[in-house]
Amino acid sequence: AQSVTQLGSHVSVSEGALVLLRCNYSSSVPPYLFWYVQYPNQGLQLLLKYTSAATLVKGINGFEAEFKKSETSFHLTKPSAHMSDAAEYFCAVSGNLNFGNEKLTFGTGTRLTIIP
Amino acid sequence: DAGVIQSPRHEVTEMGQEVTLRCKPISGHDYLFWYRQTMMRGLELLIYFNNNVPIDDSGMPEDRFSAKMPNASFSTLKIQPSEPRDSAVYFCASSYGTAVRGYTFGSGTRLTVV
Repeated sequence: AQSVTQLGSHVSVSEGALVLLRCNYSSSVPPYLFWYVQYPNQGLQLLLKYTSAATLVKGINGFEAEFKKSETSFHLTKPSAHMSDAAEYFCAVSGNLNFGNEKLTFGTGTRLTIIP
Repeated sequence: DAGVIQSPRHEVTEMGQEVTLRCKPISGHDYLFWYRQTMMRGLELLIYFNNNVPIDDSGMPEDRFSAKMPNASFSTLKIQPSEPRDSAVYFCASSYGTAVRGYTFGSGTRLTVV
């Protein structure tokens, strides 16, 4: 079975500082990995995804993530935090698509707070 | 593109009542997913459909929950009878072809059972 672990349920950074949100995965097959963002009272929005092409993936709003197989990690970063980045972020891993398992398993989320 | 549309946005009901949540996926999307979000358990997949056929309902908590997709543009999630522990935000999401493309989520229905 596939799973993801997000380290740190709450992360606070100053405006303009580096954002680093951690995600480690467990998967019995080569994974597809995703980051989603959820703003208050809204649904989840896809930020970026890794689908076995380039290991460094760029997404919307200046975010990027690097797939590291040796570390089973897919951490999300942004060089300079903006107040509008305050939200909850979810890492997710796909099921075994070779067997038609299309479901995504989500982590528990990391709430990002930006300090002015 | 209107996105995934869920209704109602908020629902407050008394314990024991039937609750029906509705979802309209994006036109052309062939996968539809129902998720439940709570503080304690995070995001849980309840059930998903492919071409209107239920593929995996292993996440449905118990027989009180049922989901249908009578056509490509509509799905319902029904809880009968409802209980206070069903209080959560219920999300519907859809995707085209494969989950690798990522899901598009609706804005959710916040259900409160008193």
